[in-house]
Formats: sequence, C-alpha cells, structure tokens
Amino acid sequence: QQQVKQSPQSLIVQKGGISIINCAYENTAFDYFPWYQQFPGKGPALLIAIRPDVSEKKEGRFTISFNKSAKQFSLHIMDSQPGDSATYFCAALFDNTDKLIFGTGTRLQVFP
Amino acid sequence: NAGVTQTPKFQVLKTGQSMTLQCAQDMNHNSMYWYRQDPGMGLRLIYYSASEGTTDKGEVPNGYNVSRLNKREFSLRLESAAPSQTSVYFCASSGARNHNEQFFGPGTRLTVL
Repeated sequence: QQQVKQSPQSLIVQKGGISIINCAYENTAFDYFPWYQQFPGKGPALLIAIRPDVSEKKEGRFTISFNKSAKQFSLHIMDSQPGDSATYFCAALFDNTDKLIFGTGTRLQVFP
Repeated sequence: NAGVTQTPKFQVLKTGQSMTLQCAQDMNHNSMYWYRQDPGMGLRLIYYSASEGTTDKGEVPNGYNVSRLNKREFSLRLESAAPSQTSVYFCASSGARNHNEQFFGPGTRLTVL
C-alpha cells in the first residue's frame, strides 16, 4: 500500500507554463514533507521542504502548498523551463524517526 | 568534498551470486540509508543507520543485510541475488535525526540474470 500517493505520473508543460504535482497521505504521524528532484543518471537532490505548521513555502519559482486538513500537498513550478525537466518525488517523514517515505515520482518534460 | 560515493556504478550478477555494495560519505553525517528505485515504485527504504553501530529495517529489507562499518561507511550485502533485486540502489546520508536533508549518492545499477 502506497503511503504517499503522487500524481500525475508524467507531465508535459510548455516553457513559461505552470507545472503542478500533487501528493496525498493518510498517516498523521508524518510531520515533514520534502520534494526531491532527480535528473537522469543522478541521485535525487532536495528541492524544497515544508512542515505542517505552515500552509505555503516559496523558494524562487518553486512553491509548496500544504493542506493539513485534506492531507494533501503540492509542488508548483512557475515559469517552467526546459532545465526543469526531471523526475520529481514528494516524500514524508515519520515524526521522530529517520524513515522517509517517497511517492512514486512524476516525470516532468518542459518543451521550448 | 566528494559527498556520498558509491561503488560499483554498474554490476551484473547471476541468480544466487552474492555481492556487497559500498557507500561512503565525507560530511561527518550520523545517519545513512539504503534505498532501491524501481520504475513506477519511487524510492523505497531498505535499511538505515541512525548512528555508528546501529541499523534498522526499512520498508523492503528482505534479502538484504547491512553493516555500518564506521561513521563514514555503510555497506549493503545481497547474500543470494534474485532477479527481483534488479534495481538501482542509492545510498544517502543526513546530518541529524529527523527533518534534515538527505544527500544521495550517484547510484548503483544492478542487474540479476
């Protein structure tokens, strides 16, 4: 059973558009929600993260929106660029543990 | 700083063979992790080590063993490889328990025939 559900599986966006990736979780013991970016042939790297005591976090063109009551969070990439083409993973960390649970990933392609 | 390094980069095994995947970090991190990545499954935690001398099971530990050799090194061993263990394996480390960024290595692509 997938504890963190991610959608869509793939996403195609034109340059300059907005990319939106959604994740949902069930377990309220999660208390830290990072997003990782992975380029082909590389390991994932932290992009942005949020804790459930805030509803939004923005870093440059990347924004996480967090809805605690709905148990959902999403990544918004504004002004998407071809260089943003990568696979994006949402994740959730159990409170007071080292266990990071990943979503299944979204392959984003941004075309010029 | 090299960050997190993994060896080998690629490996092909026959069913039943054994091998050890090596991981080292030079960031003085306490916690280290092993994940496997499969298409459509995301990354799944195999084992992790919160500190030198301790290891704990993750989501998919069956068929694997680990050793936290010292603070820098964390190895993953397949005693009797099976085709279901064909995957890309990532090692990661983080500086402290809970809420800290995990730094990933470049991965090992393993094929079991």
